[in-house]
Amino acid sequence: NAGVTQTPKFRVLKTGQSMTLLCAQDMNHEYMYWYRQDPGMGLRLIHYSVGEGTTAKGEVPDGYNVSRLKKQNFLLGLESAAPSQTSVYFCASTPSPGQGPYEQYFGPGTRLTVT
Amino acid sequence: AQSVTQLGSHVSVSEGALVLLRCNYSSSVPPYLFWYVQYPNQGLQLLLKYTSAATLVKGINGFEAEFKKSETSFHLTKPSAHMSDAAEYFCAVLNFGNEKLTFGTGTRLTIIP
Repeated sequence: NAGVTQTPKFRVLKTGQSMTLLCAQDMNHEYMYWYRQDPGMGLRLIHYSVGEGTTAKGEVPDGYNVSRLKKQNFLLGLESAAPSQTSVYFCASTPSPGQGPYEQYFGPGTRLTVT
Repeated sequence: AQSVTQLGSHVSVSEGALVLLRCNYSSSVPPYLFWYVQYPNQGLQLLLKYTSAATLVKGINGFEAEFKKSETSFHLTKPSAHMSDAAEYFCAVLNFGNEKLTFGTGTRLTIIP
């Protein structure tokens, strides 16, 4: 049981390049989330999904797109990277409401630098 | 919308001293509250959670937190700090329905030998 995994762990992009971050979970969780972490700002929600085939915007969605084609995977895309997107990205998952335990399970993070 | 505020972005305590990390919440409904810990270059790990049962919640690694409705607080404490407690700590509140967590800005805990 690997929990939540993220690929890649590190990446350096040039401004304008594109990339996709992959999040996978093997806990059969319904809900999945993408966050970014910046110094002094805590974690901010980018996009989330409440089930296969669904996505919704979070607090800071601009410049990112997501897809949830399979229940276990949640992809985060950057179409044209900007230096402001330099950050550490975390994926998380949780069971659907009413099933408890209400906590989110986090992946190890992807450190992205845009030059 | 629910929110949390963490007072003190950096806290330093001596090894063996009391650890107190502060979190205050704002919520129009009874909140579910969480403390997460992040060790250097790692993801977030759940320390403990309050989900409207006992107001004093015990977590891993000797940490505990008390939910105080009158003070809208959920402060994290540990009686005796260890060097291994050095990390960043995040308080969070659950938004029901979509299960979104709203995080505080974090408190970095440094342990002085």
